[in-house]
Amino acid sequence: RKEVEQDPGPFNVPEGATVAFNCTYSNSASQSFFWYRQDCRKEPKLLMSVYSSGNEDGRFTAQLNRASQYISLLIRDSKLSDSATYLCVVNPNAGGTSYGKLTFGQGTILTVHP
Amino acid sequence: NAGVTQTPKFQVLKTGQSMTLQCAQDMNHEYMSWYRQDPGMGLRLIHYSVGAGITDQGEVPNGYNVSRSTTEDFPLRLLSAAPSQTSVYFCASTGVNTEAFFGQGTRLTVV
Repeated sequence: RKEVEQDPGPFNVPEGATVAFNCTYSNSASQSFFWYRQDCRKEPKLLMSVYSSGNEDGRFTAQLNRASQYISLLIRDSKLSDSATYLCVVNPNAGGTSYGKLTFGQGTILTVHP
Repeated sequence: NAGVTQTPKFQVLKTGQSMTLQCAQDMNHEYMSWYRQDPGMGLRLIHYSVGAGITDQGEVPNGYNVSRSTTEDFPLRLLSAAPSQTSVYFCASTGVNTEAFFGQGTRLTVV
């Protein structure tokens, strides 16, 4: 079993749609979780961290379920500019500090069309 | 505001050649890492460093060497390139309480 698993998609949605991505992780000691966005042929960039209580940033909502070892990202009112690959990222270090070691899912491809 | 600077952006090597991918950060971060990204595989950790003079292996270290003589620089060396090392390579820099910042990537083809 992969340490971090995502549905690779692709997800093709119209503008204005709501889309949700899911991610599961296998290391129960993991302390911190992130969603990164990667545009085609570009480097990954942090979209948002994921907190136990859930967190929201504009149209984006992230949820964490530690009991099920499950992370989600919800995008509301999709824009054309949301088209990208979304990477689920886990810090596997039980102590909290990543020390630069992160575990990535394979990414979920999202295409938003007019 | 350079952040993480990675060079070169593109490289073609012949099997058996050696090369060094350069990575420099100007954020005074302790931690630096090298990842490779292959289709359908996500990013996989090659080597990482928690400070000058300290490096360790990641998930896929074979065929690669690293060193960290300064806080700012973390080069990745391919000793004898193989076609299996064709990939996109990303260097990352992370502070104690920060996200990971990535360089722009190096697209390497080994023929």
